[in-house]
Amino acid sequence: DADVTQTPRNRITKTGKRIMLECSQTKGHDRMYWYRQDPGLGLRLIYYSFDVKDINKGEISDGYSVSRQAQAKFSLSLESAIPNQTALYFCATSDPYRDAEFGANVLTFGAGSRLTVL
Amino acid sequence: GDSVTQMEGPVTLSEEAFLTINCTYTATGYPSLFWYVQYPGEGLQLLLKATKADDKGSNKGFEATYRKETTSFHLEKGSVQVSDSAVYFCALTYNQGGKLIFGQGTELSVKP
Repeated sequence: DADVTQTPRNRITKTGKRIMLECSQTKGHDRMYWYRQDPGLGLRLIYYSFDVKDINKGEISDGYSVSRQAQAKFSLSLESAIPNQTALYFCATSDPYRDAEFGANVLTFGAGSRLTVL
Repeated sequence: GDSVTQMEGPVTLSEEAFLTINCTYTATGYPSLFWYVQYPGEGLQLLLKATKADDKGSNKGFEATYRKETTSFHLEKGSVQVSDSAVYFCALTYNQGGKLIFGQGTELSVKP
């Protein structure tokens, strides 16, 4: 099983609908992130959480909300989806103190959730 | 604010060609620098990193040197393979933050 699992992998919805993207991890990391990827813009940070009680806005949080249900689960919600939220969404995790291969501050990404808002 | 700029793609090369993907950054402090790679249909994965000036990161035949004087972290590989076809992202972060600032990504296509 993947270390970071995102569901759904693909979703098509209509303007105004509420959408939830879910992320779960088996890395045991405290820190979790949601990014969106748009062609030509790279990845931009939406929200991040350094532990279950700590939620922070990223650079493009408007129109999004998050919930950290447990250390292993971090969900992203679009309360009323709009077409310019069509993008590829990535969840990621990190541990600032230990990473066996590359050291601190390395992100582990999920495979992505492609959302299309019509 | 801090930012990362990469050369525009797509970059198309023949197998065994030499690869350079340029990356420059603007930073107020002394960040760590990363290259991530995204293979088709997958999430990003770390390729290499460097944490201070003059450090060289290397992995899978790729390497990049942290150049503080030119604020650059160019990715190089001496002989690319078809399997290297992917999108490459340069990124920076400050210690303990984990919040990466990404460049826009550069698509590499390697032809047999």
